[in-house]
Amino acid sequence: KNQVEQSPQSLIILEGKNCTLQCNYTVSPFSNLRWYKQDTGRGPVSLTIMTFSENTKSNGRYTATLDADTKQSSLHITASQLSDSASYICVVTDRGSTLGRLYFGRGTQLTVWP
Amino acid sequence: EADIYQTPRYLVIGTGKKITLECSQTMGHDKMYWYQQDPGMELHLIHYSYGVNSTEKGDLSSESTVSRIRTEHFPLTLESARPSHTSQYLCASSETSGRSGSYNEQFFGPGTRLTVL
Repeated sequence: KNQVEQSPQSLIILEGKNCTLQCNYTVSPFSNLRWYKQDTGRGPVSLTIMTFSENTKSNGRYTATLDADTKQSSLHITASQLSDSASYICVVTDRGSTLGRLYFGRGTQLTVWP
Repeated sequence: EADIYQTPRYLVIGTGKKITLECSQTMGHDKMYWYQQDPGMELHLIHYSYGVNSTEKGDLSSESTVSRIRTEHFPLTLESARPSHTSQYLCASSETSGRSGSYNEQFFGPGTRLTVL
């Protein structure tokens, strides 16, 4: 069964600190993995995308890693800001689907305190 | 910011009412999707469309229906709303794969928060 599991479920950190969010998946065949940021009451917005051959991808203070062998990904946020408070969702695309079917994790709810 | 719009943003209605959630995109995308999301839970695909006159049911069974008469418009209708329909509904769109190398990135609208009393 294709699944995406994220941890932790929620996380509270102080402004300026770093944090790492985890994602494990069983989706096969694998096409790509995205990390989305979803602010409260808004739709998800893509932060990074990684394909099978990519190990690391950065987007400003966000750095994603992918280990396709162990089917694990992480999202590292450096020097956190109050605006980073949001849900971070790991999304894996199924290469075997003509639709490009997406499998979503439940997200990690990050709260950054001043 | 993606050019995909949803109205209304919030809707509170009584049981038995008919409602239509609107979704429009100005990116010319062929594929469009409707997802349902409950608090703290993952998004579930309830409907999708490959293009005009194409509609398919998603993974999660839903009593709603959709139509795709124009490329840019993908409305969702509930004929008789019930409290179990209370949820957030997200619309998304994407290009047909391979044309832009965007790996099927789906662009999401802001969502409609539906509450049925």
